[in-house]
Amino acid sequence: GAGVSQTPSNKVTEKGKYVELRCDPISGHTALYWYRQSLGQGPEFLIYFQGTGAADDSGLPNDRFFAVRPEGSVSTLKIQRTERGDSAVYLCASSPTSLDTQYFGPGTRLTVL
Amino acid sequence: AQTVTQSQPEMSVQEAETVTLSCTYDTSESDYYLFWYKQPPSRQMILVIRQEAYKQQNATENRFSVNFQKAAKSFSLKISDSQLGDAAMYFCAYRSSMNYGGSQGNLIFGKGTKLSVKP
Repeated sequence: GAGVSQTPSNKVTEKGKYVELRCDPISGHTALYWYRQSLGQGPEFLIYFQGTGAADDSGLPNDRFFAVRPEGSVSTLKIQRTERGDSAVYLCASSPTSLDTQYFGPGTRLTVL
Repeated sequence: AQTVTQSQPEMSVQEAETVTLSCTYDTSESDYYLFWYKQPPSRQMILVIRQEAYKQQNATENRFSVNFQKAAKSFSLKISDSQLGDAAMYFCAYRSSMNYGGSQGNLIFGKGTKLSVKP
């Protein structure tokens, strides 16, 4: 079956702009996670959704970052007033429940000029 | 807070040989899960192997096996009969058991080890 997909694959934007990154989880997976992977580092947790609600957003670095999952499937990570330090690969993962193995998408590489 | 440490930024192995990647972690919890993920240049994280802390038996998946030493908080990955397709970044990851309050299943990753396979 189809895996986790993320769009766009790459996004280049200018400092101060607004961006949206999309994640399509595996059908039927209720748990969805966003991670950020900076160059040379392992992924770092940003936010976790159980269904439509953000159950844990403790990893969001500041209030410029926001994510939604209005219908319990597709999720969008939104970054306002982008900064050069936001440049990273943003990974999405889903799992049937939060107890199960997480399956990752290919990520979106965000470059802020 | 839990931490994961991978002390080998890069490793190299000859095709068909065996290589071991190291991982140590720090936690005060007794029940948790450990994972090894592979990340090729395509960026997609692929699960290699998973270990439940309450199981004493080391997990194996074909050519991949782990040496889980709970008391030492060590979780190394052994790749046997290395193949060119094994070349990738390898990440060790920790996840709390859902029995602990506040845990939502998010993974805590090490910085990774870049594995090269020489033909």
